[in-house]
Amino acid sequence: GAGVSQSPSNKVTEKGKDVELRCDPISGHTALYWYRQSLGQGLEFLIYFQGNSAPDKSGLPSDRFSAERTGGSVSTLTIQRTQQEDSAVYLCASSPDVRNSGNTIYFGEGSWLTVV
Amino acid sequence: GESVGLHLPTLSVQEGDNSIINCAYSNSASDYFIWYKQESGKGPQFIIDIRSNMDKRQGQRVTVLLNKTVKHLSLQIAATQPGDSAVYFCAEKGGATNKLIFGTGTLLAVQP
Repeated sequence: GAGVSQSPSNKVTEKGKDVELRCDPISGHTALYWYRQSLGQGLEFLIYFQGNSAPDKSGLPSDRFSAERTGGSVSTLTIQRTQQEDSAVYLCASSPDVRNSGNTIYFGEGSWLTVV
Repeated sequence: GESVGLHLPTLSVQEGDNSIINCAYSNSASDYFIWYKQESGKGPQFIIDIRSNMDKRQGQRVTVLLNKTVKHLSLQIAATQPGDSAVYFCAEKGGATNKLIFGTGTLLAVQP
């Protein structure tokens, strides 16, 4: 597809289980972001990748959260030992080159995670 | 039982009126700003952007104004339509960081 693709769109998991969320950025986009949005709240920055540079992980809330980006394209956000407070929408976004301030950042539809 | 409600600022307008949504940003070094529209159950959708070397930019039915002196951004929507009902977020980027930092959002409710 032409846009940012995320999967799964919905995930219900039991507390303590691990989950993986996937993001396919727009083809050719070198920058990729992950954000988290709790119900009725704004978007909380988690991590971003720019090409082959070391990712900015400063927004990850705990060491249970990690993300990888393989081959400069697809990214996976992993949450280990999920907790109920992890329930949120996880949004992925991509951009042609984040270092070129002004490149528009496009979002996917998000992965809705519910931890029960 | 206990319910969790939205605590977003809300702007209610009549269909056909003009809407103005305001945003105060935090970083004086930010050099790029974006407005996003988010409908229920969907990801944020790009509306319009502006760089810090401009103070106004117009799109189709939308205008963004930037006042760097007071770190204020506004989104004007002309002839507001029911389809404009959504949460609107401003976002800033640049300076020492490449993160896109979002504001808290404003709920626009268009009354028919």
